[in-house]
Amino acid sequence: DAGITQSPRHKVTETGTPVTLRCHQTENHRYMYWYRQDPGHGLRLIHYSYGVKDTDKGEVSDGYSVSRSKTEDFLLTLESATSSQTSVYFCAIRGGQQETQYFGPGTRLLVL
Amino acid sequence: DQQVKQNSPSLSVQEGRISILNCDYTNSMFDYFLWYKKYPAEGPTFLISISSIKDKNEDGRFTVFLNKSAKHLSLHIVPSQPGDSAVYFCAARPYNAGNNRKLIWGLGTSLAVNP
Repeated sequence: DAGITQSPRHKVTETGTPVTLRCHQTENHRYMYWYRQDPGHGLRLIHYSYGVKDTDKGEVSDGYSVSRSKTEDFLLTLESATSSQTSVYFCAIRGGQQETQYFGPGTRLLVL
Repeated sequence: DQQVKQNSPSLSVQEGRISILNCDYTNSMFDYFLWYKKYPAEGPTFLISISSIKDKNEDGRFTVFLNKSAKHLSLHIVPSQPGDSAVYFCAARPYNAGNNRKLIWGLGTSLAVNP
């Protein structure tokens, strides 16, 4: 257990509304990641962070922004949700001897 | 273009038999390979990994084999158990991943172990 929690775990929202997902870790890891998982696409990296206020884009960053004002929290914001952003979102941290990524339980988001 | 490929979307085996999950990669510049298991409604969990300087790593019922010349790795589960039924993801870490150390992911193989 890498001490990662995600909130909310489930969310239904309407197209055009802003949505923020939170990832919280308790073990002071420097690197944090946001992924989305969709059928036929596996895990795709949205954004990642390598420290407080240090973030960068992943392969599917359009329509998403992130913020990291504290080591323990990494926020993912959908500025104006679209139906194509209906997905399961996973947060991960990097840790351990081999710098393995460890995942949170996920947030299931439905955009109507 | 998929740099890490899991060509079998699904696999079904009998309990007690061997499960072999395959992964191919196209880039020689990976220094580490990892396998993750994912149950429905849960996050992926790390299973086993192998460095590019090795050709085998074993952990209990799980063994990963790496064939660098063929750019191929496989995960063997012996004996398979119903609780092993899950989606298995292969991932690779580039040598020069820079600051982010991003992993390159396959699309996953769904394993069903039948009692």
